[in-house]
Amino acid sequence: NAGVTQTPKFQVLKTGQSMTLQCAQDMNHNSMYWYRQDPGMGLRLIYYSASEGTTDKGEVPNGYNVSRLNKREFSLRLESAAPSQTSVYFCASTASGKGVRAGELFFGEGSRLTVL
Amino acid sequence: GNSVTQMEGPVTLSEEAFLTINCTYTATGYPSLFWYVQYPGEGLQLLLKATKADDKGSNKGFEATYRKETTSFHLEKGSVQVSDSAVYFCALGNSGNTPLVFGKGTRLSVIA
Repeated sequence: NAGVTQTPKFQVLKTGQSMTLQCAQDMNHNSMYWYRQDPGMGLRLIYYSASEGTTDKGEVPNGYNVSRLNKREFSLRLESAAPSQTSVYFCASTASGKGVRAGELFFGEGSRLTVL
Repeated sequence: GNSVTQMEGPVTLSEEAFLTINCTYTATGYPSLFWYVQYPGEGLQLLLKATKADDKGSNKGFEATYRKETTSFHLEKGSVQVSDSAVYFCALGNSGNTPLVFGKGTRLSVIA
């Protein structure tokens, strides 16, 4: 039972480099999310996709782009990495839909990114 | 807008001590409330939840009661273990299509 799978788990970048974090879920969930976790800041939402074909900005979207490739996959791209983007990134998914109350989020194991 | 405030840590307790982590919320409507736990090196996982006022969520010896009158959802455990050392997040959600709102997390360390 894979759940939510993120790759890579670790990455070191130089300022200005680009990279894409990949996320896939096998639970047939409609909604997917990207969060970043920083010390003392808790979890902050970067982008989310309520359903296939839609994406919306979260609390801290600047410097990031996302693609909901299909129902299973939701990628996060850093076009020009900056040291302020050093963080641990988490992908999550949940079942959702009209009439569904806020439900359980399933998280990946995280991707630790360092930007030098 | 919706928000969650939880007590700042870190919290350090001896094994078998009583644990309370406070969480209060601000929300419109009738939100669902959650506690998530993050063990070292892992992603978050749901610990317990409550979907309406006066509901009590419980799991692994942890409990939290949805108190609408005090807008609170405090996490409690009667006797903590070293294996409970983790970061605990309180969260709130209104509907299936809107993202959960998380508190900043409380780090718990339990020493033998």
